[in-house]
Amino acid sequence: QVQLQQSGPGLVKPSQTLSLTCAISGDYVSSNSAAWNWIRQSPSRGLEWLGRTYYRSKWYQDYAVSVKRRITINPDTSKNQFSLQLNSVTPEDTAVYYCARDRVKGSPTVVASYGMDVWGQGTTVTVSS
Amino acid sequence: QSVLTQPPSASGTPGQRVTISCSGSSSNIGSDYVYWYHQLPGTAPKLLIYRDNQRPSGVPDRFSGSKSGTSASLAISGLRSEDEADYYCAAWDDSLSGSWVFGGGTKLTVL
Repeated sequence: QVQLQQSGPGLVKPSQTLSLTCAISGDYVSSNSAAWNWIRQSPSRGLEWLGRTYYRSKWYQDYAVSVKRRITINPDTSKNQFSLQLNSVTPEDTAVYYCARDRVKGSPTVVASYGMDVWGQGTTVTVSS
Repeated sequence: QSVLTQPPSASGTPGQRVTISCSGSSSNIGSDYVYWYHQLPGTAPKLLIYRDNQRPSGVPDRFSGSKSGTSASLAISGLRSEDEADYYCAAWDDSLSGSWVFGGGTKLTVL
């Protein structure tokens, strides 16, 4: 059974960096049949996809345009986990953050999804001084 | 505002059939599959339908999905009290550099 366990601080000061980690059990971050996503949810913005990382002979990352200049998603094969870093946060980044596995097939240029079937428990992150 | 448009609310009585609509555009629903998730308060979303009309194992056949053009629908038959939840549609959007987009969610109330 695949599980995702999130960790990271629940309070971040404005202009600082939000950092979260998603530990994977029952699957591998380097799996060729998965993509590893970060999604957030807030009352004002609803569900918002932030980005993903996946491995197809090499590592790929895709990011949402809205956060592209501030975001980094990194895999860590030694710990079988992946992380989210969001720089220069503002109160608008306050949200519940989720990691999620997307079952996929295909090549690096065509990532065919079978749905985000496993989610982390969610981390409430508040941006406030 | 969400890229995909859903009605904010829907309701039905036990045993009824309800449908939830999701409207998009040619860059998302019109060119890729639709996915449906449901979410209970305080919990993470859960995959309900993938690739327009496929059910993951464990999802009852009371739940079904369909798509036509740039719109999609989720149908729930034999409504039960435990179906009361928020429902979201999602699709990959090919515009710009590509991204997942979601609907704003529909709160389903079982009367």
